[in-house]
Amino acid sequence: ETGVTQSPTHLIKTRGQQVTLRCSSQSGHNTVSWYQQALGQGPQFIFQYYREEENGRGNFPPRFSGLQFPNYSSELNVNALELDDSALYLCASRMMGDGYTFGSGTRLTVV
Amino acid sequence: EDQVTQSPEALRLQEGESSSLNCSYTVSGLRGLFWYRQDPGKGPEFLFTLYSAGEEKEKERLKATLTKKESFLHITAPKPEDSATYLCAVQAPSGGSYIPTFGRGTSLIVHP
Repeated sequence: ETGVTQSPTHLIKTRGQQVTLRCSSQSGHNTVSWYQQALGQGPQFIFQYYREEENGRGNFPPRFSGLQFPNYSSELNVNALELDDSALYLCASRMMGDGYTFGSGTRLTVV
Repeated sequence: EDQVTQSPEALRLQEGESSSLNCSYTVSGLRGLFWYRQDPGKGPEFLFTLYSAGEEKEKERLKATLTKKESFLHITAPKPEDSATYLCAVQAPSGGSYIPTFGRGTSLIVHP
C-alpha cells in the first residue's frame, strides 16, 4: 500500500471530550510522527514513534498521547479537549533517512 | 531554543519571473534541513533533504541550497502550478532523538 491515510478527515468535538485520530502508514515505514498545524502556521511536532516506541516528543502536555502498531498504523489520542486544540492534525511516516510522507490530515474543531 | 524563520511570508510572481525563498535557522547539531510544498487542504509534500553546507539539490524548476545559517529555495521560471506554501524544517538532536522544527512557510502565488 502506498501513501499515508488519515481518518476521519473532519471531526467536531465538544470541549472536555476525548478524541482518537487514526493513521495508516506506508508498508515498511517504521517511523511515524504526528503534528498539529494551526491556520497560517507551520506544523508543530507532537511526538514520534519508532518501532512502536515513543522516541521523541515536542512541547505538548501529557493529555496528547499516541500508539504505533505492528501493521504500520498509529493513533493520536487527545484527552480533555480545549478550544485551542482546534487545528489540522497531520501524520507523517518514513523509512529511516528518507523524507517524511504526510497524510492529508484530520481537521479537528472543538466547540 | 531551535528556531526556523522563513521569508518572505508571502510572494507574488508573474509566470516566468524567477525568485528565491529563504529559510534561516539556529539549531545545535543540524541533522538535516527539509523542504516541503503544501497545497491548501493537503498535507506537506516532500521536496528535498540537505545535510551539509554547500549541498545543492534540484528538481524541475526548484533548486535548494544550504549554508551553515540558511537555506534557499530557488524557483526558476515559475508556472501557476508552482503556487503553494513552501515549508522549511530542520532536524536536530533533542533528548536522545531527533526533533523536527518547521518554519511558518512562504505562501507563493504565481500569476499567469
